[in-house]
Amino acid sequence: KNEVEQSPQNLTAQEGEFITINCSYSVGISALHWLQQHPGGGIVSLFMLSSGKKKHGRLIATINIQEKHSSLHITASHPRDSAVYICAVRGGSGSRLTFGEGTQLTVNP
Amino acid sequence: DAGVIQSPRHEVTEMGQEVTLRCKPISGHDYLFWYRQTMMRGLELLIYFNNNVPIDDSGMPEDRFSAKMPNASFSTLKIQPSEPRDSAVYFCASRLGASSQPQHFGDGTRLSIL
Repeated sequence: KNEVEQSPQNLTAQEGEFITINCSYSVGISALHWLQQHPGGGIVSLFMLSSGKKKHGRLIATINIQEKHSSLHITASHPRDSAVYICAVRGGSGSRLTFGEGTQLTVNP
Repeated sequence: DAGVIQSPRHEVTEMGQEVTLRCKPISGHDYLFWYRQTMMRGLELLIYFNNNVPIDDSGMPEDRFSAKMPNASFSTLKIQPSEPRDSAVYFCASRLGASSQPQHFGDGTRLSIL
């Protein structure tokens, strides 16, 4: 079992739909990252969370430390949101990140 | 501001050749990370530096891989000799200060070993 599990692996949505991507992890962590990788390959850091909830535009990220679970929500999805979304966790005081396998999101017009 | 700059963007070479990937972190950032991304294994941390000193190289797959950071503005990842299974996208990322800060990724180098 991977330390970081994402679901779903693939997600297709229609423009305007509300989207949720989930991340579960099995180890104690000090922070969780959500990354976005565009079709061109570039990686962008969306959020870094250690508790609670963060919001940036149409993106919302939540984390439940007790349940070892985080969700990334996209409201009013748009085709430009099509990308791979990657969850990564950092355990303890080190800087090493462990990555999930990613969720491929396709938003159709 | 310039982000993390990697070069080359693409590299195609024959197996057995030496490959050198380069990274310029964001000015002032004191952490630098090298990652490899493949379809099979996803993103993996290879090595990271703090203030030019390698801190954790446990992700470096074999002795064929080596990384250096001669100064705060430059790092290299070298593969010698290269093998087809080294084909992947290699990302460099940098971070300023504590682990509470986000990492900033370069655009990656797509490496193909024939």
